[in-house]
Amino acid sequence: VQLVESGGGLVQPGGSLRLSCAASGFTFSSYAMSWVRQAPGKGLEWVSLTGSSGGATYYADSVKGRFTISRDNSKNTLYLQMNSLRVEDTAVYYCAKRGLGGSGSPNWFDPWGQGTLVTVSS
Amino acid sequence: EIVMTQSPVTLSVSPGESATLSCRASQSVSSNLAWYQQKPGQAPRLLIYGAYTRATGIPARFSGSGSGTEFTLTISSLQSEDFAVYYCQQYHNWPPLTFGGGTKVEIK
Repeated sequence: VQLVESGGGLVQPGGSLRLSCAASGFTFSSYAMSWVRQAPGKGLEWVSLTGSSGGATYYADSVKGRFTISRDNSKNTLYLQMNSLRVEDTAVYYCAKRGLGGSGSPNWFDPWGQGTLVTVSS
Repeated sequence: EIVMTQSPVTLSVSPGESATLSCRASQSVSSNLAWYQQKPGQAPRLLIYGAYTRATGIPARFSGSGSGTEFTLTISSLQSEDFAVYYCQQYHNWPPLTFGGGTKVEIK
């Protein structure tokens, strides 16, 4: 099982960025997926989760209305579209696979990708 | 939102000794609690889920206990590779999923 994030970088406040997470080694379409971020020197903050089909999506209040999670099961890829970025969105963004497949499974995550750094600064 | 509080923030332990980390939830999360280990520059790794079930490949020296609002992660006979930051996470009542602030286990 492997998760590889990409798309991070430096962006100005108010800008946009799209993160991708390429999955391999498991049946991607059977698992809910999530984004979790970690600001420099800080703890973990859950950002968003999507169900296995992409029909159900959930967000932290801090990103609701600005970020959109989506997935393409034909490409085994998870996305996070980030708009109206703020300085406080600066963090390493991890994608993570729900530990168990199926709807209604508990939301613990295994494994996690290596992360991609998003820096929001002028 | 369920707030997760971990203590202590830093724990200094000598290799070979045991470490006891605590995680408290602001309301009951039943047994819906996971523990993760994170080493510098690495992604978090799942250790425990369901409050006490070790994830695949996790050594038996890691054990979890508790239910409701009080949880403990015990690491017996600490090895050099165990010095890291440990996070608890509740998945009982969400969104949002919430993590504790972390406990850093450092070499004494």
